[in-house]
Amino acid sequence: LAKTTQPISMDSYEGQEVNITCSHNNIATNDYITWYQQFPSQGPRFIIQGYKTKVTNEVASLFIPADRKSSTLSLPRVSLSDTAVYYCLVGAITGFQKLVFGTGTRLLVSP
Amino acid sequence: DTGVSQDPRHKITKRGQNVTFRCDPISEHNRLYWYRQTLGQGPEFLTYFQNEAQLEKSRLLSDRFSAERPKGSFSTLEIQRTEQGDSAMYLCATRRSNTEAFFGQGTRLTVV
Repeated sequence: LAKTTQPISMDSYEGQEVNITCSHNNIATNDYITWYQQFPSQGPRFIIQGYKTKVTNEVASLFIPADRKSSTLSLPRVSLSDTAVYYCLVGAITGFQKLVFGTGTRLLVSP
Repeated sequence: DTGVSQDPRHKITKRGQNVTFRCDPISEHNRLYWYRQTLGQGPEFLTYFQNEAQLEKSRLLSDRFSAERPKGSFSTLEIQRTEQGDSAMYLCATRRSNTEAFFGQGTRLTVV
């Protein structure tokens, strides 16, 4: 399973756009990129998943360059409630599909 | 609420006691995972079920740990002879094939 590298922490202010980049140099051809969000004392929550180019949903956008060795989670106009830990995972979505978490990025949004 | 239910939410136990946690998945989800999470770390994989079959166990899952999913629905995770190092959040996640995983809120275990 491909290893991922993310910044340990990021700070932002309400209303700003936040971009969290994840490096996954050893991503395999059949690997997808998935992001989860976790609040204290709760389980992780799925945010977005993609394979290449750009994916957008009601919560976030995911940008994946052509070489797929990195990806960027973009959170538009963050609010205080977006303060959480964000995990980038890579892996196949067929078969066993074990989710391998790193230490994630702690995002702190301030007023 | 993701639809994955874990019970209890909190458990305090004395060292050496046995504890059992339960996970009730979303009904149509055939894949079930157990994870352990300690403070400041990401969740660590413990074991995986596809229906009632336990298909993989992590080396983290010592012989004091056992998990079951007898009818392919709910699952239990038992820890025998608990140690202080077992204190952690135990998370259950479930999914259908090729879809995202849904996590429960976890069971926080404190061994005193």
